[in-house]
Amino acid sequence: AQSVTQPDIHITVSEGASLELRCNYSYGATPYLFWYVQSPGQGLQLLLKYFSGDTLVQGIKGFEAEFKRSQSSFNLRKPSVHWSDAAEYFCAVGATAIQGAQKLVFGQGTRLTINP
Amino acid sequence: GAGVSQSPSNKVTEKGKDVELRCDPISGHTALYWYRQSLGQGLEFLIYFQGNSAPDKSGLPSDRFSAERTGGSVSTLTIQRTQQEDSAVYLCASSLRRTDANYGYTFGSGTRLTVV
Repeated sequence: AQSVTQPDIHITVSEGASLELRCNYSYGATPYLFWYVQSPGQGLQLLLKYFSGDTLVQGIKGFEAEFKRSQSSFNLRKPSVHWSDAAEYFCAVGATAIQGAQKLVFGQGTRLTINP
Repeated sequence: GAGVSQSPSNKVTEKGKDVELRCDPISGHTALYWYRQSLGQGLEFLIYFQGNSAPDKSGLPSDRFSAERTGGSVSTLTIQRTQQEDSAVYLCASSLRRTDANYGYTFGSGTRLTVV
């Protein structure tokens, strides 16, 4: 069965510092991988996705992620964080549902706190 | 509409009562998903609709949970005889076609259900 592990429950970084959020997945085939962000009281917003091609993908808000098949990882990075990046971040893998649609299997999430 | 709309945004109910949660997807989106976000369980897939049919109900936790979709648009998630463990945020998502889900779909802001 598909699974996603986000090893860090909570990360604190200073504003302007670099960020890396870790994600490891378990999936038999080539995975569809996603990073979502959730601000307090809000729904999930898609940051970026990978399903084929270039293993370094660019997303919105200056985020990027690198797919490493050998490590089963899809870590999220940002070179310089802003106070507005404080939120909960979820990594997800797409699992084929019946009739070919993709349901998502999510990690437990990483809560990001930004120090001024 | 412009986005996925969910109502109510918050619901407090007494244990044993029935509740209905509503999702209004983006106009024209044929694929619709329900997820549940609870403490300790993270984000869990509940059910997927393609049009009015639900080919994948594998995530519904018990027979107290049911969902329907009418006119290929609005969906209602019903929880009968609510229990305290049903307290969670219920999120709805939609995509234009089932295959578009491979590219990441759009989430609503969720309904926060509290069972007291």
